[in-house]
Amino acid sequence: NAGVMQNPRHLVRRRGQEARLRCSPMKGHSHVYWYRQLPEEGLKFMVYLQKENIIDESGMPKERFSAEFPKEGPSILRIQQVVRGDSAAYFCASSPTSYNEQFFGPGTRLTVL
Amino acid sequence: DQQVKQNSPSLSVQEGRISILNCDYTNSMFDYFLWYKKYPAEGPTFLISISSIKDKNEDGRFTVFLNKSAKHLSLHIVPSQPGDSAVYFCAASPQGGSEKLVFGKGTKLTVNP
Repeated sequence: NAGVMQNPRHLVRRRGQEARLRCSPMKGHSHVYWYRQLPEEGLKFMVYLQKENIIDESGMPKERFSAEFPKEGPSILRIQQVVRGDSAAYFCASSPTSYNEQFFGPGTRLTVL
Repeated sequence: DQQVKQNSPSLSVQEGRISILNCDYTNSMFDYFLWYKKYPAEGPTFLISISSIKDKNEDGRFTVFLNKSAKHLSLHIVPSQPGDSAVYFCAASPQGGSEKLVFGKGTKLTVNP
């Protein structure tokens, strides 16, 4: 049973470009969560999605960031017009229900030049 | 405002001895707590969890203790092994399940052979 998959593992963007991060949850998991980790910090919650629905986006910056989890395909975290402060590790997690532990993917390390 | 605090950035122990990692929280609405282990360039791996209705949960070499009155939990690893060397994150959930985890900054454990 494959774990949570994220791609790309490393992503380099110049300021002003768009970044698209993909997450495929574990088989049978319909709950997806995105977290961001800045250097020397813990993980910070960004958004919680179920298929086709955003359940909680209280941790998402109000501008430039969006997330989706379509009926078919992976969850996408999209960052428009990236800035240097967006450089971080972005982790996706999934769970079968909201009452189970979350299983994390290996992360995407975004570097903004 | 950090709601989950891991006040020791690092801990070093000898192989075979006990490792005790501590975590404090401030939000009395937290009722589900988890510990994750993280190796460099990988995602966090779930270790063990505890609900607020319990004060202890054990899984092999790992035991988590919860003191609700002190808003404190600890992870005990015994005996410690060199492969346990990693960063350990404490996480808490403000709801009945594991949605929207709030993470501490982590404690780097080094187990010396």
